[in-house]
Amino acid sequence: AQSVSQHNHHVILSEAASLELGCNYSYGGTVNLFWYVQYPGQHLQLLLKYFSGDPLVKGIKGFEAEFIKSKFSFNLRKPSVQWSDTAEYFCAAGEITGGGNKLTFGTGTQLKVEL
Amino acid sequence: EAGVTQSPTHLIKTRGQQATLRCSPISGHTSVYWYQQALGLGLQFLLWYDEGEERNRGNFPPRFSGRQFPNYSSELNVNALELEDSALYLCASSLANVNSPLHFGNGTRLTVT
Repeated sequence: AQSVSQHNHHVILSEAASLELGCNYSYGGTVNLFWYVQYPGQHLQLLLKYFSGDPLVKGIKGFEAEFIKSKFSFNLRKPSVQWSDTAEYFCAAGEITGGGNKLTFGTGTQLKVEL
Repeated sequence: EAGVTQSPTHLIKTRGQQATLRCSPISGHTSVYWYQQALGLGLQFLLWYDEGEERNRGNFPPRFSGRQFPNYSSELNVNALELEDSALYLCASSLANVNSPLHFGNGTRLTVT
């Protein structure tokens, strides 16, 4: 079955610390991979996406993610977090079959950045 | 550009009743997706509509149903409500292109008492 796993449910960091959030997916075929972010009181927003090509993708606000096919992973990174990065982060995968963008989401990682 | 809009923002129902949730996609988007976000379970895929047709549904019972109208807006209906249906219901829209990302609304918070 298709699944997405996020191993860190809650992460607390100090400002300027480096961030890495883990994401692993389980799919048989070719997948599109996404990271979405939900800031407090706001709707889910796309942070970055991987479809093909360079496995290191850069998104908004200094975030990047690396697709490692052999590890079925798509970890999110940021070299130096800010207080404003406090949010919930969701990894998602979509199998490229039959059109459409039906996504399977992970359970999310709640990130709190302390001043 | 107006985003995805959902109504109502909050909905309180009692067990056994029916709930109707509404979603208006971004202009030009033909695909609408419904997700359930229950506490601790992340986002669970419910339904996908495109061009007025149901294209796919997730692992939910038949009492979860919906439709898409000619203007691409969509309704999610939940019949015979159960306590565990309490959740945030998110609607997302996208272009029909497989590489088009999903744009989410703010959701409808459904509480079943």
